[in-house]
Amino acid sequence: EDQVTQSPEALRLQEGESSSLNCSYTVSGLRGLFWYRQDPGKGPEFLFTLYSAGEEKEKERLKATLTKKESFLHITAPKPEDSATYLCAVPFWQGGKLIFGQGTELSVKP
Amino acid sequence: DAMVIQNPRYQVTQFGKPVTLSCSQTLNHNVMYWYQQKSSQAPKLLFHYYDKDFNNEADTPDNFQSRRPNTSFCFLDIRSPGLGDAAMYLCATSRDNRGTYEQYFGPGTRLTVT
Repeated sequence: EDQVTQSPEALRLQEGESSSLNCSYTVSGLRGLFWYRQDPGKGPEFLFTLYSAGEEKEKERLKATLTKKESFLHITAPKPEDSATYLCAVPFWQGGKLIFGQGTELSVKP
Repeated sequence: DAMVIQNPRYQVTQFGKPVTLSCSQTLNHNVMYWYQQKSSQAPKLLFHYYDKDFNNEADTPDNFQSRRPNTSFCFLDIRSPGLGDAAMYLCATSRDNRGTYEQYFGPGTRLTVT
């Protein structure tokens, strides 16, 4: 059964304190892995797509990496505006349905 | 900017009173999805359209229906809302339904059932 697990569930950082979020997955035939950011009361905002092990993508303070079993979202010198829930997802082979992890709720304090 | 638009952003309906949520897109994507997201949970797919081809998830209650009159618009109809249907409803689009392209989400409609 395809499964996505994110850790930690919640992460509190001080502004400038770098850290990483983990997304481990079990899927048959990875077609891609997606990272989203979701602010309270809003729809998920697309961040990155990773397709193959060893791939990396960067955007401002965020960097996503992919191995054969997991993906990491590295946050370098975070700011309070980076506070949000970060979701990772993989597409199910049929219909493209996204299988989401439960998310990591990130809080960055000034 | 190309985008996914949902209306209304907030909807209040009474128990059992039919309600329709709207989604439109300017991305010209072939696929439109409807997800339900309850508090502190991940989004859960209800159904999707690939062009005019409707695909229902096995566990989606019959109470939920959808229409896609053209490429740009898609509607979610809840025929008899129950208290358990209170949630955020998210519309998303993608170029295809093979999972090789990312999905773009709208801002969501928060449904309250009284």
